[in-house]
Amino acid sequence: KNEVEQSPQNLTAQEGEFITINCSYSVGISALHWLQQHPGGGIVSLFMLSSGKKKHGRLIATINIQEKHSSLHITASHPRDSAVYICAVSGGSNYKLTFGKGTLLTVNP
Amino acid sequence: DVKVTQSSRYLVKRTGEKVFLECVQDMDHENMFWYRQDPGLGLRLIYFSYDVKMKEKGDIPEGYSVSREKKERFSLILESASTNQTSMYLCASSVTAKLFFGSGTQLSVL
Repeated sequence: KNEVEQSPQNLTAQEGEFITINCSYSVGISALHWLQQHPGGGIVSLFMLSSGKKKHGRLIATINIQEKHSSLHITASHPRDSAVYICAVSGGSNYKLTFGKGTLLTVNP
Repeated sequence: DVKVTQSSRYLVKRTGEKVFLECVQDMDHENMFWYRQDPGLGLRLIYFSYDVKMKEKGDIPEGYSVSREKKERFSLILESASTNQTSMYLCASSVTAKLFFGSGTQLSVL
């Protein structure tokens, strides 16, 4: 079974700072997902990637398949970015995911 | 936009009650999932379904069952609710491995 580790568990930043959240996994995968969950809210899929890098607005996700590692970057962070960010990996054909425990990000104004 | 709707946002039940959590998706997705989310443990898969009447156990199926009679609807059943089933329950559907989540049901079992 794949083990998914995220770091840090908690992160506090000032508005405008550059944020990095890391995710490592133990077994080869078909895809890696980054998800966002606001307090009391549902979960939104931010990225699904299997190689390289993806960018959406101020968010950038990268993955290194050889090192079994992914990073989520937030440029020019804003208080509305405050949320739990969850890394998840999928393998095989049934789309079952293994989740990390999440990183709680708080961005102060 | 894909919509995944869970029938209740908050639910309070008594120990021993039979509990039904309903989930409906509007995008004709074949795959549907039930997860529970607990502090410090993250999301854990209870059951998933890859077609009507087809189901597969996830990582923590004990104490739960599911029903999928129609493609758009996936129900989670707690046969006899217990206090350790107090949790946030999240339904999801997927196509090409991208997940779409409902807003969750916070279930409290007293």
